[in-house]
Amino acid sequence: EAGVTQSPTHLIKTRGQQATLRCSPISGHTSVYWYQQALGLGLQFLLWYDEGEERNRGNFPPRFSGRQFPNYSSELNVNALELEDSALYLCASSSGQGAMNEQFFGPGTRLTVL
Amino acid sequence: GESVGLHLPTLSVQEGDNSIINCAYSNSASDYFIWYKQESGKGPQFIIDIRSNMDKRQGQRVTVLLNKTVKHLSLQIAATQPGDSAVYFCAESRYSSASKIIFGSGTRLSIRP
Repeated sequence: EAGVTQSPTHLIKTRGQQATLRCSPISGHTSVYWYQQALGLGLQFLLWYDEGEERNRGNFPPRFSGRQFPNYSSELNVNALELEDSALYLCASSSGQGAMNEQFFGPGTRLTVL
Repeated sequence: GESVGLHLPTLSVQEGDNSIINCAYSNSASDYFIWYKQESGKGPQFIIDIRSNMDKRQGQRVTVLLNKTVKHLSLQIAATQPGDSAVYFCAESRYSSASKIIFGSGTRLSIRP
């Protein structure tokens, strides 16, 4: 069974540009979570989608947005990129809502903002 | 505010010894706790979880201890192996729907041969 996949693996942008990151959950999983992992720091919760709707949002500015498609894949968009947005962005999926459903993580997208 | 943190950012352990990784949490409303392992270049991987109605839970070579009185969580790894080298994160949440997980900053475990 394929795990969570993310694309691209690496992404290099300059300040002010926009970045789009993609995630495909494990087949059958309806929830997708996005996290930011800055160098040397823990995972910061960004967004949670389930059944196509945003269920919860972390403490990030509105220029971080996303969506979930009918096939449960998801996209994270970061507008007006800033240098401090450089981080590993991790996507996770689970089979249901809430923390009690184990989240399976993808390998991440490394975003570098120059 | 809410926070989950770790006492030690790095831990070096002799191969074969037991490892203990500690974590403190501040939200007394949290009732579900998870440990994740993240190897270099990979996403976090679930290790073990525990609900607040328990104070100990064992898995394969791992044990999680929860002390709600002092809001402390620990992960014990028995007979540490080279493959245990990774960053370990504790996380807290509410055992309910529509709830998010708050991760700690992580502890790097390195194994001495």
